[in-house]
Amino acid sequence: EDQVTQSPEALRLQEGESSSLNCSYTVSGLRGLFWYRQDPGKGPEFLFTLYSAGEEKEKERLKATLTKKESFLHITAPKPEDSATYLCALGFSGGYNKLIFGAGTRLAVHP
Amino acid sequence: EPEVTQTPSHQVTQMGQEVILRCVPISNHLYFYWYRQILGQKVEFLVSFYNNEISEKSEIFDDQFSVERPDGSNFTLKIRSTKLEDSAMYFCASNSGTGVDTQYFGPGTRLTVL
Repeated sequence: EDQVTQSPEALRLQEGESSSLNCSYTVSGLRGLFWYRQDPGKGPEFLFTLYSAGEEKEKERLKATLTKKESFLHITAPKPEDSATYLCALGFSGGYNKLIFGAGTRLAVHP
Repeated sequence: EPEVTQTPSHQVTQMGQEVILRCVPISNHLYFYWYRQILGQKVEFLVSFYNNEISEKSEIFDDQFSVERPDGSNFTLKIRSTKLEDSAMYFCASNSGTGVDTQYFGPGTRLTVL
């Protein structure tokens, strides 16, 4: 069965305290691993797409990496405005198909 | 920057009533989706739509649900005879269909069934 698991469920950081969020998966025919940010009561906001093991993408204080079994979202020197739920989602071969989402990591960054 | 829009932002209805949730996908996108998120739970896939027909649907998407692209810009989700358990956030998403797999999501419609 295709599965995606995110850890930790919740993370509290001090401003400037770097950390990493994990997304592990078991899936056949993976076509893309996606990271989204979701603020309370809002829709998922696209951050990154990763396709191949070893691939890395960066945007401001965020960097996403991918291996054959998991992906990490590294947050460097976070600020309070980075507080959100970060969602990992899997896409499948054949393209343009459904995404399967993990439960997310709720990140709180305190000043 | 182009974005997906959804209306209404909040819909309150009585159990058994029909509701229509509306979405305007990003212009020139070809693939359209509906997802839902029950409070405190995962985002769940409902249905994908391409070339005026359903391309995939989940177990959740039963005969109670239907989708339609009534014109060149709107994409709708109809829920017939709503149930209490239909209360959730409903998100529309679209994909360009140009080889990039990213789905862009709208802000959602909060459906409350009383």
